[in-house]
Amino acid sequence: GENVEQHPSTLSVQEGDSAVIKCTYSDSASNYFPWYKQELGKRPQLIIDIRSNVGEKKDQRIAVTLNKTAKHFSLHITETQPEDSAVYFCAASNVGGGGADGLTFGKGTHLIIQP
Amino acid sequence: SAVISQKPSRDICQRGTSLTIQCQVDSQVTMMFWYRQQPGQSLTLIATANQGSEATYESGFVIDKFPISRPNLTFSTLTVSNLSPEDSSIYLCSVLGYGYTFGSGTRLTVV
Repeated sequence: GENVEQHPSTLSVQEGDSAVIKCTYSDSASNYFPWYKQELGKRPQLIIDIRSNVGEKKDQRIAVTLNKTAKHFSLHITETQPEDSAVYFCAASNVGGGGADGLTFGKGTHLIIQP
Repeated sequence: SAVISQKPSRDICQRGTSLTIQCQVDSQVTMMFWYRQQPGQSLTLIATANQGSEATYESGFVIDKFPISRPNLTFSTLTVSNLSPEDSSIYLCSVLGYGYTFGSGTRLTVV
């Protein structure tokens, strides 16, 4: 089955700086890679996703890059703000053909934005 | 995105009892997924529930412990049976719409 590794487990950055979180996956059949933000006591919220036919996707201060050959993908947050402090999870799945696998999650990154 | 109503939001249960968690979706979906999030940990897929067929369980999860029902395309239940303190976790359902959407979770504490 799929295995997703995520690094670092904790990331502390100064407000206004950039944050990068990296994930690798093992199953070449995976073609869908979402990132979730989870605040304390709340459900995971999808912040950005990318499919395997795309190398990069950007949404305002958030971007995701995917290297299919190396089986890794990364989340980039620029101009970090205090409200970006949360736990971030990467995940992978195989979606298509009218069906989908469940998500395999990385272990999470606790992002701390220092004022 | 689909809207999921999950209940109960939390419960405290005695050892040896069972808890049934319900998820109601505001649109018809083929597949529903159930996850467990242990304290301070990531999410782990328990099973995939398709309407009209038996749920498919991931390694380490068995039907006797986590029976699932999927009577129609908008509803599913997960039962956590024969509870022990190790079952204390948050349980979440999820559906695939535009991305995977999660219910608000059920925080289970076993005493």
